[in-house]
Amino acid sequence: GAVVSQHPSRVICKSGTSVKIECRSLDFQATTMFWYRQFPKQSLMLMATSNEGSKATYEQGVEKDKFLINHASLTLSTLTVTSAHPEDSSFYICSARARPSTDTQYFGPGTRLTVL
Amino acid sequence: GENVEQHPSTLSVQEGDSAVIKCTYSDSASNYFPWYKQELGKGPQLIIDIRSNVGEKKDQRIAVTLNKTAKHFSLHITETQPEDSAVYFCAASPNSGYALNFGKGTSLLVTP
Repeated sequence: GAVVSQHPSRVICKSGTSVKIECRSLDFQATTMFWYRQFPKQSLMLMATSNEGSKATYEQGVEKDKFLINHASLTLSTLTVTSAHPEDSSFYICSARARPSTDTQYFGPGTRLTVL
Repeated sequence: GENVEQHPSTLSVQEGDSAVIKCTYSDSASNYFPWYKQELGKGPQLIIDIRSNVGEKKDQRIAVTLNKTAKHFSLHITETQPEDSAVYFCAASPNSGYALNFGKGTSLLVTP
């Protein structure tokens, strides 16, 4: 149980285009989803916290107009990187928590974004 | 905010030996401490976690110890195998409503 999927696993796009990444909890309902960014050989950096049915909470330094997050249902959250630039190239990982009272987070397999 | 320090950054052991990774945290309100294993190109996988009302937890070859007074917790892997080679991250969370604060990771290499 507790499986989180991401789609796509890998995407290459041209500079200036927008890219949407989906995060799904497959066998549980996720009241909260988190989006992280990871550069090569570095740790995970929290970008935003997404609660179903409400606006996402962004970490300091993360542009909410550039990284649009939508948590429209209890099993799906999306991250859209708008007007992507080469510096947005990174590994994006989501995680999901089943209930507000539980601590355990389950991570997706990640999405490798390359902006040319 | 919470600051999680993790050591060592790299660790090389021979197959069959034990591996120990240590983390310290700064926020005394932290009460949840998970450990994740990440293989190259994949997302982190939860391998064990501990809450502040417990001092030690074991799951087969993996154990975690927590010292709340000293604000440090450790991951112990016994009888290491080559497939244990990966990057391991510790994390801390002050409350169930908060996100995880990660350490910088330890790259573990188990040589046959």
